[in-house]
Amino acid sequence: VQLVESGGGLVKPGGSLRLSCAASGFSFSDYYMSWIRQAPGKGLEWVASISHGGSNIYYADSVEGRFTISRDNANNSLTLEMASLTAEDTAVYYCARYLETYSSSSVSKNWGQGTLVTVSS
Amino acid sequence: DIQLTQSPSTLSASVGDRVTITCRASRSILRWLVWYQQKPGRAPNLLIYKASILERGVPSRFSGSGSGTEFTLTISSLQPDDSATYHCQHYYNNAITFGHGTRLEI
Repeated sequence: VQLVESGGGLVKPGGSLRLSCAASGFSFSDYYMSWIRQAPGKGLEWVASISHGGSNIYYADSVEGRFTISRDNANNSLTLEMASLTAEDTAVYYCARYLETYSSSSVSKNWGQGTLVTVSS
Repeated sequence: DIQLTQSPSTLSASVGDRVTITCRASRSILRWLVWYQQKPGRAPNLLIYKASILERGVPSRFSGSGSGTEFTLTISSLQPDDSATYHCQHYYNNAITFGHGTRLEI
């Protein structure tokens, strides 16, 4: 199982960014996926989750209305579109795969290496 | 929203010690609790889920217990490699919250 995030970088407050996660080594379309972030020196914060087929989507209150999670099962990829970014969104963003196939039980078994998003003027 | 409170926030112990980290939920989460280990600069690693089920490949010195609002992670005999930050996380009704983490120094 491999998850590789990309798309992080420096963005100005109010700006937008698109993160991607390329998945390999497993049947991507069988698993719920999520984005989880970690601000520098802080704890983990769940951002969003998406069901294996893409029909069920959940967001943390802190990002609802600003972030959009999506997936492309044909290309084994997960995306997080982020808009109206603020300094509080500065973090390492991890994509993660749930433990069990077809299960919404949010146990994150496999994680990517993370991609750093810095929101600063 | 359910809040998780971990204690202690930092812990210093010696090789061979038995250590316990506590995670308290603001209301019952039944047994929907996960523990992760995270080392500096690395992604978290799944240790235990559903409060007490040890993930494959995790050493048996790690164990979890609890239900409802109080949960514990126990390391029976500390090893140098256990130096890390430990996070609890609940998963209930598609809402996910993490504790603030416990930093364990060996």
